[in-house]
Amino acid sequence: DAGVIQSPRHEVTEMGQEVTLRCKPISGHDYLFWYRQTMMRGLELLIYFNNNVPIDDSGMPEDRFSAKMPNASFSTLKIQPSEPRDSAVYFCASSLFLTSGRGETQYFGPGTRLLVL
Amino acid sequence: KNQVEQSPQSLIILEGKNCTLQCNYTVSPFSNLRWYKQDTGRGPVSLTIMTFSENTKSNGRYTATLDADTKQSSLHITASQLSDSASYICVVSDRGSTLGRLYFGRGTQLTVWP
Repeated sequence: DAGVIQSPRHEVTEMGQEVTLRCKPISGHDYLFWYRQTMMRGLELLIYFNNNVPIDDSGMPEDRFSAKMPNASFSTLKIQPSEPRDSAVYFCASSLFLTSGRGETQYFGPGTRLLVL
Repeated sequence: KNQVEQSPQSLIILEGKNCTLQCNYTVSPFSNLRWYKQDTGRGPVSLTIMTFSENTKSNGRYTATLDADTKQSSLHITASQLSDSASYICVVSDRGSTLGRLYFGRGTQLTVWP
């Protein structure tokens, strides 16, 4: 398996533009996670899906952020309009399932490095 | 307030030496604790996951310990290698039946010198 695939790997855009980040999870994984990482705040969980359904989006910073998972093999994270403070590395991760009380190993993609000018 | 604190922020050691990274948390109720290794420019990679009842878990040269009473965890690296140079992140989950809410430490940046 190729692992979690993210695109683009790098994105530079101007403030106010729409940004769409893409993720293909590992085949057969039921859970998909979107994270953001910055020097100031470290790693943060934005939202996660189970069987394509958003379960917890409490980490999504603002209404400018939205995420979808139209099928088991594809998810998008959209920022509209983008702002300079959105500059960060955005990671997608997937896992097989969550065992009660235990959690499960999450496999991370390589990340998308976003710079908003 | 639920928090995860890691120490030290950064650490430099010589190749072949051992080191221990610390993670203290105030998350409650506790579900599980994970250690991740993140190489520069890469996504995090899971090293260990421990629940309340587990007090030690090994993954090769990496050994994680957990003291749920004092709410402390450590990651011990034995016979360090240059490839161990990375950021090590501690993550604590606060619920049992689902993912729970995740609390992230800021990481310890480890540099191994030859």
